[in-house]
Amino acid sequence: RKEVEQDPGPFNVPEGATVAFNCTYSNSASQSFFWYRQDCRKEPKLLMSVYSSGNEDGRFTAQLNRASQYISLLIRDSKLSDSATYLCVVNPPAGGYQKVTFGTGTKLQVIP
Amino acid sequence: NAGVTQTPKFRVLKTGQSMTLLCAQDMNHEYMYWYRQDPGMGLRLIHYSVGEGTTAKGEVPDGYNVSRLKKQNFLLGLESAAPSQTSVYFCASSYVRAKNIQYFGAGTRLSVL
Repeated sequence: RKEVEQDPGPFNVPEGATVAFNCTYSNSASQSFFWYRQDCRKEPKLLMSVYSSGNEDGRFTAQLNRASQYISLLIRDSKLSDSATYLCVVNPPAGGYQKVTFGTGTKLQVIP
Repeated sequence: NAGVTQTPKFRVLKTGQSMTLLCAQDMNHEYMYWYRQDPGMGLRLIHYSVGEGTTAKGEVPDGYNVSRLKKQNFLLGLESAAPSQTSVYFCASSYVRAKNIQYFGAGTRLSVL
């Protein structure tokens, strides 16, 4: 099983729609989680952290389900500018350096 | 507000040629990383550095070497380029206490013919 798995998509949604992506992880001891956004032919950029209690940033909501070992990203009222690839990031357990694991990304295309 | 700067942005090499990719960051970050990104493979860590003068292998280090002589610079070398090294290369940096919050350069698109 891969350390981090994402549905590659693409998710094609109309403007104004609500869309959600999941990201599953295999290491139950993983400690912290993030979502990055990568626009076409650009570098990844941090979108938001994922807290145990869930967190919102405007139209974006991130949640963590430790029991089922996945994180989710919900986007409400999708805009054309939300079209991008969304990468989940899982941080290894504490204690020495271990590489941060990036998912392969889920592609979102918002259509007019 | 330069952040992480990579040079060059594009390069075409012939098989067997060598080159060096340069990464510079002005945020005083301790950690620096080199990734490659290929379709369907996501970001794969090539080498990383936890401080000046220190480097370590990542997930896919074969065919690459790195050096970090100064804290702000991290160089990635290809001694004898192969077509399998055609990829987009990203450099990133982070603080030691926030290694999962990484700042990326704009990338280098490398083609090896």
